[in-house]
Amino acid sequence: IVMTQSPVTLSVSPGERATLSCRASQNIGKTLAWYQQKPGQAPRLLIYGASARATDIPARFSGSGSGTEFTLTISGLQSEDFAVYHCQQYNQWLAVTFGGGTKVEMK
Amino acid sequence: EVQLLQSGAEVKKPGESLRISCQGSGYTFTSYWITWVRQKPGKGLEWVGRIDPRDSYINYSPSFQGHVTISVDKSINTAYLQWSSLEASDTAMYYCARHYEPATINYYGPWGQGTLVTVSS
Repeated sequence: IVMTQSPVTLSVSPGERATLSCRASQNIGKTLAWYQQKPGQAPRLLIYGASARATDIPARFSGSGSGTEFTLTISGLQSEDFAVYHCQQYNQWLAVTFGGGTKVEMK
Repeated sequence: EVQLLQSGAEVKKPGESLRISCQGSGYTFTSYWITWVRQKPGKGLEWVGRIDPRDSYINYSPSFQGHVTISVDKSINTAYLQWSSLEASDTAMYYCARHYEPATINYYGPWGQGTLVTVSS
């Protein structure tokens, strides 16, 4: 399953809303996760099951979607949120795949 | 606190062998699968494979099958990723990650800090 993220780069001002998209090449239901990766750091799980927040993830992060279209929304962007965001499907558990990532940068 | 501690950076020549490690702490090691993920410089994430520490049951990505070996020593809460003959294209950061829930559900957290593997003649 091919995961396609858009845009590649998103320029957002602090305090604004960021909307990131992830598209699956086939129906994956809600078997989608989102990760945040800051420079020089490992990824961190944000969202699983398309919309469930992982432990200690702030409420400004929200996920939605099902089937082939998914969205990660960051409401009220804070300075620590500028990072790369990856989506991942786990519908095919023997062929887990990630998207290419979206970089959220400061406008 | 749940932590995964990976071994340090490695510089190897093509054809050499290598084993990197990932030690879990702060949780029951045998209750959660461990997955390995590759990230080439400036690129996205690629799933390498996973292992169940209880019985060493392993799944490999078709892209990595036959080129890497995943193993575990549950007596010391450590998982391994190894190569018998490295290639320059293996140059990447390798992460281990614990499965988030104690089942085969395939989303991951927390992650190790990463091990940078550089293969160059």
